[in-house]
Amino acid sequence: GQQVKQSSPSLTVQEGGISILNCDYENDMFDYFAWYKKYPDNSPTLLISVRSNVDKREDGRLTVFLNKSGKHFSLHITASQPEDTAVYLCAAGNTGYQNFYFGKGTSLTVIP
Amino acid sequence: DTTVKQNPRYKLARVGKPVNLICSQTMNHDTMYWYQKKPNQAPKLLLFYYDKILNREADTFEKFQSSRPNNSFCSLYIGSAGLEYSAMYLCASSRRGGARDTQYFGPGTRLLVL
Repeated sequence: GQQVKQSSPSLTVQEGGISILNCDYENDMFDYFAWYKKYPDNSPTLLISVRSNVDKREDGRLTVFLNKSGKHFSLHITASQPEDTAVYLCAAGNTGYQNFYFGKGTSLTVIP
Repeated sequence: DTTVKQNPRYKLARVGKPVNLICSQTMNHDTMYWYQKKPNQAPKLLLFYYDKILNREADTFEKFQSSRPNNSFCSLYIGSAGLEYSAMYLCASSRRGGARDTQYFGPGTRLLVL
């Protein structure tokens, strides 16, 4: 089965609003969580990551929230801008293993 | 230079013919990965090299091969391409490996098998 799931294939947000992207994972041994941004025809770029010893990490307009008991993490983008429009991939893995598991992606559109 | 390069960017192959995709990085990273990405699907890890040790995922074990002649280069080899191999192939590298290391991705090779 799919280890990491993004249930929303797409999301549309008004400029200036908050974009909330969600991700669920299956394996409660995962201890590393990341969000990647992918423009059309470009490879994924790491945006922000968090380890399981924290529940929240902020970096500018980006905040990752981790809910370990619910096996869920999310990415909040405040003051969303049209240039935030892209596909966002979540990924999770276990420290010591070499690979991540990726979600299918959520396509975010920020409209002016 | 933190870029990962992939060649070719686009590849057209005939069913039953071999395909060889190339990836390179000059960051002296220990680990190099190959992912397969199909539309509306998550990137799927195919295999990775940690130093000279090749690790292949169980369900793709017989379909893909790889070589890493030196630290900078890693190839993905398909012996006999089938239609189902049409996809984007992403190469990535990380300094040591392990889930906490940042993976740097290449631009991908889009493979179309006819």
